[in-house]
Amino acid sequence: QVQLKESGPGLVQPSETLSLTCTVSGFSLTSYGVNWVRQPPGKGLEWMGTIWNDGSTDYNSALKSRLSISRDTSKSQVFLKMNSLQTEDTAIYLCARVRWYYWGQGVMVTVSS
Amino acid sequence: DVVLTQTPPTLLATIGQSVSISCRSSQSLLHSNGNTYLNWLLQRTGQSPQPLIYLVSKLESGVPNRFSGSGSGTDFTLKISGVEAEDLGVYYCMQFTHYPTFGSGTKLEIK
Repeated sequence: QVQLKESGPGLVQPSETLSLTCTVSGFSLTSYGVNWVRQPPGKGLEWMGTIWNDGSTDYNSALKSRLSISRDTSKSQVFLKMNSLQTEDTAIYLCARVRWYYWGQGVMVTVSS
Repeated sequence: DVVLTQTPPTLLATIGQSVSISCRSSQSLLHSNGNTYLNWLLQRTGQSPQPLIYLVSKLESGVPNRFSGSGSGTDFTLKISGVEAEDLGVYYCMQFTHYPTFGSGTKLEIK
């Protein structure tokens, strides 16, 4: 069955770079794209970016200068890297398959010294 | 960016009551291919969002038929005909006709 699972550090220092992995199963990354979404504590959902099945990417214009999404199709993994983290980047980070039916459980990332 | 305005922000309902949530878009969500990519999601406390409705009015697999979606262009509505206790949570509309955006959410509470 289709599954997505996020992983990464729970705590990141301000000004450092966040690296997250979304490991998928039950489908191929060459057939379906994957989105990254984040949700600050107690707040709503924000789309961050998408890597499409052909490897092309789209980014939220508010994050584009700090954000990079890539993948390793052989490992069924999608990567998110975002630099210059600040406290307002504290959030649950989730991946979701395109069309938004399948979601990961999310990973909480706290930006704090 | 497309802004989705959801109302009301909070709904207090009794079991069996019918309720509606409005989602208004700052731009038309009609894609050039004829589809309108407007979905509704439910996020229960401590969980990831789960899909309810796609393409405005199509029920996702396994979703009870007390949920229904309607609308076109810039105005959309989610209706729950007979709220049940398991329906509590935060409802989001989202669009991906353009770069994806989400509404601010409607919290459904049960009296």
